[in-house]
Amino acid sequence: DQQVKQNSPSLSVQEGRISILNCDYTNSMFDYFLWYKKYPAEGPTFLISISSIKDKNEDGRFTVFLNKSAKHLSLHIVPSQPGDSAVYFCAASGGTSYGKLTFGQGTILTVHP
Amino acid sequence: EAQVTQNPRYLITVTGKKLTVTCSQNMNHEYMSWYRQDPGLGLRQIYYSMNVEVTDKGDVPEGYKVSRKEKRNFPLILESPSPNQTSLYFCASSLGLAGALTFGAGSRLTVL
Repeated sequence: DQQVKQNSPSLSVQEGRISILNCDYTNSMFDYFLWYKKYPAEGPTFLISISSIKDKNEDGRFTVFLNKSAKHLSLHIVPSQPGDSAVYFCAASGGTSYGKLTFGQGTILTVHP
Repeated sequence: EAQVTQNPRYLITVTGKKLTVTCSQNMNHEYMSWYRQDPGLGLRQIYYSMNVEVTDKGDVPEGYKVSRKEKRNFPLILESPSPNQTSLYFCASSLGLAGALTFGAGSRLTVL
């Protein structure tokens, strides 16, 4: 049972435009959410996180929005740059086991010059 | 340089031949974890450790063992590897449970 889902396997965006990556979760006990970026042949790197007590967190060009009632989060990248082309994973933790971190399947973002 | 180091980076082995993938971090992190990445499934957690001598199962622990005898090391042991354990493995660590993970570069394992 996939508790964290990224339903779009890929996304293509023009440089300078906004990239919106989506993530849905089913476990209402999740209360901490993170986004990671992964380039080929490298490990994922942490991008941004949000706690369930917030609905928005911003860091430079990256903003994460959390809609708890819809069990949905999204990552906005504005403006998108070719160097942002990577696989993006969302992840969630919480509930009775804070040590467990559940990832989505990933979305391949391609930013065209 | 703060990092998580995994070895080997690439390994081809045969069914049933025990192997260990080592993981070491130099950031004095308490939390360490192993993941496997498979196409269409994303990253799935195998085991995690919240401190020395404290380990627990993730979502896909079958066929794997871990140990945490020292804070910096968290080896992943495959006692009797099978072809369905062919995957890309990542070790990661963080200061606390809610901390952003620092990942290693990955170990690609093929079991024939």
